[in-house]
Amino acid sequence: EAQVTQNPRYLITVTGKKLTVTCSQNMNHEYMSWYRQDPGLGLRQIYYSMNVEVTDKGDVPEGYKVSRKEKRNFPLILESPSPNQTSLYFCASSSVPAGDSYNEQFFGPGTRLTVL
Amino acid sequence: SQQGEEDPQALSIQEGENATMNCSYKTSINNLQWYRQNSGRGLVHLILIRSNEREKHSGRLRVTLDTSKKSSSLLITASRAADTASYFCARSQGAGSYQLTFGKGTKLSVIP
Repeated sequence: EAQVTQNPRYLITVTGKKLTVTCSQNMNHEYMSWYRQDPGLGLRQIYYSMNVEVTDKGDVPEGYKVSRKEKRNFPLILESPSPNQTSLYFCASSSVPAGDSYNEQFFGPGTRLTVL
Repeated sequence: SQQGEEDPQALSIQEGENATMNCSYKTSINNLQWYRQNSGRGLVHLILIRSNEREKHSGRLRVTLDTSKKSSSLLITASRAADTASYFCARSQGAGSYQLTFGKGTKLSVIP
């Protein structure tokens, strides 16, 4: 089954304790993104990747890191989480860029993060 | 980047009625997409309309795009309780763009 998986699905942590949210897709997609979703703000892009070892900042990258060492995986790293990073996080992948006429983003199930 | 804006923020209708949601944006686009999100779950792609298209259909969904007014609408006909979800528009600014900009969504409730 074609899918994007994220782990963990739920996480409660404390300020300053480094954490990693994993994302993996089995569709051989080139393009992957991380979004955060907050009430009243919709989805905002954190980082995106166009291929292995190629990443770029989205709209809200502060406080986050990413890496793309393998095509299927795109982990999101919070080196020193703060309470304002409490949010619902989504990973997404696609076979073509967002601007392509056949773009379709496939989303993971989400990771609900609480930073105390 | 500027987010798209959906209107209304929330919509409640009876099963069988049609639901219309609107999306406005401020800059030029290459394509505009609509996604559905069931409560707290991942988004699901519904339909994409290109900037040179005016209308597109998929099953009970009809999407229109008016680039002169910088707006799009999503019509769901003969709504069902299972259509209860939040709906988001997302736009890309250029053919080579790697970014989608999402709106804040319309929360649709379909009452059986």
